[in-house]
Amino acid sequence: QKEVEQDPGPLSVPEGAIVSLNCTYSNSAFQYFMWYRQYSRKGPELLMYTYSSGNKEDGRFTAQVDKSSKYISLFIRDSQPSDSATYLCAMTGANSKLTFGKGITLSVRP
Amino acid sequence: NAGVTQTPKFQVLKTGQSMTLQCAQDMNHNSMYWYRQDPGMGLRLIYYSASEGTTDKGEVPNGYNVSRLNKREFSLRLESAAPSQTSVYFCASREGTGATWEQFFGPGTRLTVL
Repeated sequence: QKEVEQDPGPLSVPEGAIVSLNCTYSNSAFQYFMWYRQYSRKGPELLMYTYSSGNKEDGRFTAQVDKSSKYISLFIRDSQPSDSATYLCAMTGANSKLTFGKGITLSVRP
Repeated sequence: NAGVTQTPKFQVLKTGQSMTLQCAQDMNHNSMYWYRQDPGMGLRLIYYSASEGTTDKGEVPNGYNVSRLNKREFSLRLESAAPSQTSVYFCASREGTGATWEQFFGPGTRLTVL
């Protein structure tokens, strides 16, 4: 079992839909949780981070962490074509290395 | 600030050839990383340097070597390229102190080995 599992996708939704992206993990040492967004032929960019169980909201994006169940989610409200990208979950413990999920490609249809 | 820069952007090699991928950051970060990204495999860590003067293996180090030339620069070398090393390579950097875990990525190098 890999340390981080991410829903494989791809995912295609109509504009305005609510999108839910999920990752599960097995390493209890992970304390910091991130979502990176990667546009086609670009490097990943940090979208959201959190380090505690619960929800964190930033505009149309909400990051959710449930440490007891070892899963994290990213919700996108009122999705836009500009949200079309690959989304990667990432997490780390006390060291400096990030462990990434495989990524899911999202396409938002106008 | 340019952030993290990588050269070259594209490269085609023949099996057995060698090359060095260059990475530089202007954010005064302590830690630097090399990843490869393959379809369906996500980002996999090749090597990293937690601070100037140190390097450590990541998840997939075989066939690669690295040099932390100074605080700004971290290069990745393929001594004898193989088709399995066809990939997109990303360099990243991180401040490296306390809980500042965000990594900043470069634009990537697309490498094809024939």
